[in-house]
Amino acid sequence: ILNVEQSPQSLHVQEGDSTNFTCSFPSSNFYALHWYRWETAKSPEALFVMTLNGDEKKKGRISATLNTKEGYSYLYIKGSQPEDSATYLCAFIKAGGFKTIFGAGTRLFVKA
Amino acid sequence: DSGVTQTPKHLITATGQRVTLRCSPRSGDLSVYWYQQSLDQGLQFLIQYYNGEERAKGNILERFSAQQFPDLHSELNLSSLELGDSALYFCASNPTGDGANVLTFGAGSRLTVL
Repeated sequence: ILNVEQSPQSLHVQEGDSTNFTCSFPSSNFYALHWYRWETAKSPEALFVMTLNGDEKKKGRISATLNTKEGYSYLYIKGSQPEDSATYLCAFIKAGGFKTIFGAGTRLFVKA
Repeated sequence: DSGVTQTPKHLITATGQRVTLRCSPRSGDLSVYWYQQSLDQGLQFLIQYYNGEERAKGNILERFSAQQFPDLHSELNLSSLELGDSALYFCASNPTGDGANVLTFGAGSRLTVL
């Protein structure tokens, strides 16, 4: 069983706050980690693919880091805006590259 | 529009019945993934196909089956339906069937079993 854990489960912040979430995954047999953003009533949309230990990716105010040796990834949002309100999912892909297993997500609420 | 097409969008049926959900992947994508999202649950991986062949299997019930056809569209068949099968079923696709590429999701098919 592949355990992909995300914390916190939910987060309430004020507009302008910076925030971060954690995705924990098995550190052995790592192949790739994905981050997705999932707005209510829509489908998940990809943010990042991360494959190398130490990877850092950035898209606008959102960035992510990866530590494959200890099995975690952080997603950071700088200066949160109400439109950032969504569920953020990470997905772990084991070596062999096939099953893409999602964590339960972190639900972010940004209050104006 | 993500380019991944799922039909039907909504489906209401009774316990014991059988339904088929259809997915057309994004143009050029060879791999199709099926996920189930039940109430207050995350995305549960069901099954993955690559170029017509089953590539990986998750916690898919024996009452469920799927296939990918030569034109790369996929169908998920759910039979002997139970109340607990009510869920949102997502299809996703990617070009290579591995983690080097992200998944592109369809809009989902919402199944309600009464």
